[in-house]
Amino acid sequence: DGGITQSPKYLFRKEGQNVTLSCEQNLNHDAMYWYRQDPGQGLRLIYYSQIVNDFQKGDIAEGYSVSREKKESFPLTVTSAQKNPTAFYLCATATIPTDTQYFGPGTRLTVL
Amino acid sequence: AQRVTQPEKLLSVFKGAPVELKCNYSYSGSPELFWYVQYSRQRLQLLLRHISRESIKGFTADLNKGETSFHLKKPFAQEEDSAMYYCALSVGDNYGQNFVFGPGTRLSVLP
Repeated sequence: DGGITQSPKYLFRKEGQNVTLSCEQNLNHDAMYWYRQDPGQGLRLIYYSQIVNDFQKGDIAEGYSVSREKKESFPLTVTSAQKNPTAFYLCATATIPTDTQYFGPGTRLTVL
Repeated sequence: AQRVTQPEKLLSVFKGAPVELKCNYSYSGSPELFWYVQYSRQRLQLLLRHISRESIKGFTADLNKGETSFHLKKPFAQEEDSAMYYCALSVGDNYGQNFVFGPGTRLSVLP
């Protein structure tokens, strides 16, 4: 788990601003995931990627965008189109074939 | 559509009592199920997976395909078991593989 870093730990944003959350890994895992964690709703998948330069929308992709230019990095941009962005965001990685996921420490985003 | 349910948001038991955290799933394919745990101020981490048929920290979980359940059990709860527990289902699609998580159950073990 120490091989997955997310920054920043806390992030504050004004309404109408885009913000990018960082996720970096040195585990050499092919797959990377972004989840949103809200109380009482568990983890909901935003985007995931199985290979560089390719990614797939998850269940709640609207208002978010991602890129996968490097195997080690999978940044998530929360755009102004996301109606309720205040949440805890988790990044995860996995090998392929996938047997389990490894999670980063998370970023807490608050929109003021 | 695939779905994971955990009926209890909060489960409180006394130390030394048995504990069972319920998980039910719906999935048309062959299920692969997991339990993840999140202790206070720690990362979400894998507790156990059904294909390993292992016992971790005294916890076990058996996949019951007839009842579409994967309940987590421990015969004697300890205070350090207090945490948030998530049941997860691995699903495959045309792109790859991802995971569907339940809403989670917060376990509180009282002294």
